[in-house]
This record gives sequence, C-alpha cells and structure tokens, in this order.
Amino acid sequence: EDKVVQSPLSLVVHEGDTVTLNCSYEVTNFRSLLWYKQEKKAPTFLFMLTSSGIEKKSGRLSSILDKKELFSILNITATQTGDSAVYLCAVVTGGFKTIFGAGTRLFVKA
Amino acid sequence: DTEVTQTPKHLVMGMTNKKSLKCEQHMGHRAMYWYKQKAKKPPELMFVYSYEKLSINESVPSRFSPECPNSSLLNLHLHALQPEDSALYLCASARLAGAQETQYFGPGTRLLVL
Repeated sequence: EDKVVQSPLSLVVHEGDTVTLNCSYEVTNFRSLLWYKQEKKAPTFLFMLTSSGIEKKSGRLSSILDKKELFSILNITATQTGDSAVYLCAVVTGGFKTIFGAGTRLFVKA
Repeated sequence: DTEVTQTPKHLVMGMTNKKSLKCEQHMGHRAMYWYKQKAKKPPELMFVYSYEKLSINESVPSRFSPECPNSSLLNLHLHALQPEDSALYLCASARLAGAQETQYFGPGTRLLVL
C-alpha cells in the first residue's frame, strides 16, 4: 500500500530558528512530490520536486528530494510567526493518484 | 493566474437533500480533483479526472457522484449524505502538459450534513 509519512507531527520554535520538516514515502510508480502550506483555508503550493539532489528555493524556504532513500525535506530559515501553519507533503503516482502525509503542524512563537 | 473557484463556500443539507458542488478553472488545466478534508486531517483523494475522463475513483460511496461536463468545470453531486460526510470539500486542478503536475486548490466548500 502506498504511504507518505511526515515527521515531526508538530513542532514549536521561536522566531529566528531554522526548522527542517521531513517527508518519507513508499509508493509504486512515483511521479512527483509536492509541498503545501495550509493555514485556515485551502493548501497553497510551495514546491514540486521530481529529480533527486536539485534544491528548490523560494525566499527562506527550500526543499530537496532524495529518490534513492525515498524522502524529502523542507527547510525554513529565520522563521517568522507568519510561518505558523500545517505543512503537507503529497506524492503523485501513476494515474495522478495523490497521497498526502498527515502534515507537520508548526507553531512559531514571537 | 492560478485560480480555482468553488461554489458554494458553505452548504448545509439534510440527509434527504440533493445538492451539487461546483468547481471551475480557466487555466487550461487538464486534470481536476476532488478531495475531502476532515478537521485536523490531511486531504483525502476522492476522484481524479484527466482529459475529462474519470481516471481515479478512490472507492467513494455512490452517494457522491462526480461529473466533468467540459475541461473547465467539475461538479460533485450529493445525494442521501450522512452526518459523517460533513467536511471541507476541496477541488484542485493541474496542467499535466510538460509534466506540470502541481495541483492548485480552490478555497473549498464547507459542508454540514444534518
């Protein structure tokens, strides 16, 4: 059975800290891995990863995929209170089936 | 422009009612998705349409009936729902061309079944 596991499930940090969120997967016919941020509404897109070892960056956020070890990480540097959210990892497989992990709930204290 | 729109924003229905949720995108995306999200849980895939054909049905009960009238529209017809079907229903779309599988989500319809 396909599965996506995120860790930690929750995390509390102080403003300015750096955090690393993990996503591991076991799926057949991997196509891509997606990261989303969800606050009190629909998920908003962060990154799409398809190739190993190529870092994607957007401001203070970055992400990388390791297709050999079957995981991805999402880094957030110099965290701000506005980064508080649930971060979701999703894996797209054949036929565009999409499996979400349970999410990491991040809380950034001022 | 990465806008996916959904109507209505909120819906309250009884167990004997029939209602429909609507999703629309004008980005030329060729895949459209329905997800169900319960509180404090991740989205769960229900249906996928690719190139206007149903490609995935994740064993969803028949009281949920999807329809894709054209490449821009996706409906979800609801009939004889149960209180446990109360959830946020999210629509998403993806371009597909050029391996662009990023899914863009609409704001969702918050459904309450009484």
